[in-house]
Formats: sequence, structure tokens, C-alpha cells
Amino acid sequence: GEDVEQSLFLSVREGDSSVINCTYTDSSSTYLYWYKQEPGAGLQLLTYIFSNMDMKQDQRLTVLLNKKDKHLSLRIADTQTGDSAIYFCAESMTGGFKTIFGAGTRLFVKA
Amino acid sequence: DVKVTQSSRYLVKRTGEKVFLECVQDMDHENMFWYRQDPGLGLRLIYFSYDVKMKEKGDIPEGYSVSREKKERFSLILESASTNQTSMYLCASSPVGSDEKLFFGSGTQLSVL
Repeated sequence: GEDVEQSLFLSVREGDSSVINCTYTDSSSTYLYWYKQEPGAGLQLLTYIFSNMDMKQDQRLTVLLNKKDKHLSLRIADTQTGDSAIYFCAESMTGGFKTIFGAGTRLFVKA
Repeated sequence: DVKVTQSSRYLVKRTGEKVFLECVQDMDHENMFWYRQDPGLGLRLIYFSYDVKMKEKGDIPEGYSVSREKKERFSLILESASTNQTSMYLCASSPVGSDEKLFFGSGTQLSVL
């Protein structure tokens, strides 16, 4: 069945780069997403990539997709304490009505 | 900005009670969803609706029902709450043709005692 896996915890120092990794199983996925959840809040879409792309950059965020290995990563450059949150990897298909989420990676940024 | 509003941030109920969780979105989105979030399990889809009065089961519908009488409102109902339904409940909405992007409410933390 469909599955999205990611590590549960990552700790980095302020100013360093963070890399959060994710693997997924459904090769027919059209969209792959990164959502961010801050304490006490719902999820907010951070960025997403179409499955026919290899990379997407948006300011401090870089998303890399290796479709052959079904591996997605999110790199946050110059990580700040405000980036401390849970980051969810997710996949979906066009018109599928169903987004599959990973368990979330808790990013802890040490000052 | 899209706003998805969940009526309660925290809710405490007793086993066997009927519980209503309300969600309202203000951007005329066709699709609405209810997820529950548990530590280490991520988000699991309970029910979704793609139109008024239409509903479809998600991955874990047992013990839940939903109602969508108006486009902007999607309610989750626990007919007889049980302790294993203690969880964070997240409502989301999305328009058709939006690259399946979801817009989430802030969540309702439900405790069933």
C-alpha cells in the first residue's frame, strides 16, 4: 500500500543547514509536499514539487526529488530558531482526494 | 487568505457522549477533510467530502460520521466517544484544480475521559 516514511527527529545548530528526508512508495504520485506545523497550530503548506521535476528552490528552501529512489528531501539553509517545528512529507495524485502523510520530523534548532 | 476555522481548540468529553466537531471555511472550497493526528502516526484521513451532502470514507472511519449540509461547513460526529478517540483532530479544505494543496484549521485537541 501507499506509505510515506521520515525520521522523527532532527537537531541542528542555528545558522547551519537542515536536511529532512522522506521516502514514499507510490510511484504514481503526482505531487509531493512539505507541510510545516508550529506548536499549537494546524499544518501549513511550505512548498511542493511536481513529480516530473528534480528540484525546486524557494528562498532558503530547496526541495530535491529522486524519482527513481522515491526519495524527497527538504533543505533549509541558514536554519533559524523560528524554523523549529514539525515537518510533514506528503504525496498525492491529481484528483485523488487523498493525501498520504508521513509521521512528521520534529526539527529542533539550538541557539 | 484562506481561513479554516475549527470551533474548539480544546475539548474534554466523557466516554459514551456524542461529540460534534465543527469546521468552517470561507473560501468557497469544494473539498473538505477530517484528519486525526497522533504522535508517531502522522495524519490519518477519517472522512472527506467533495460536495454538499456528499461524503466518502477515508482510512479510519470507524466510530465517526460526518455531515455537510452547507458548502462552507463540515462536521465530524463521534456517536459514542471512546478513550481511543482522544486525539488532535484537523480539518482541511481545498479547491478543485489546486494541485491538491490542503489548507488546515488550527486543530481541536479532544480528550475523552
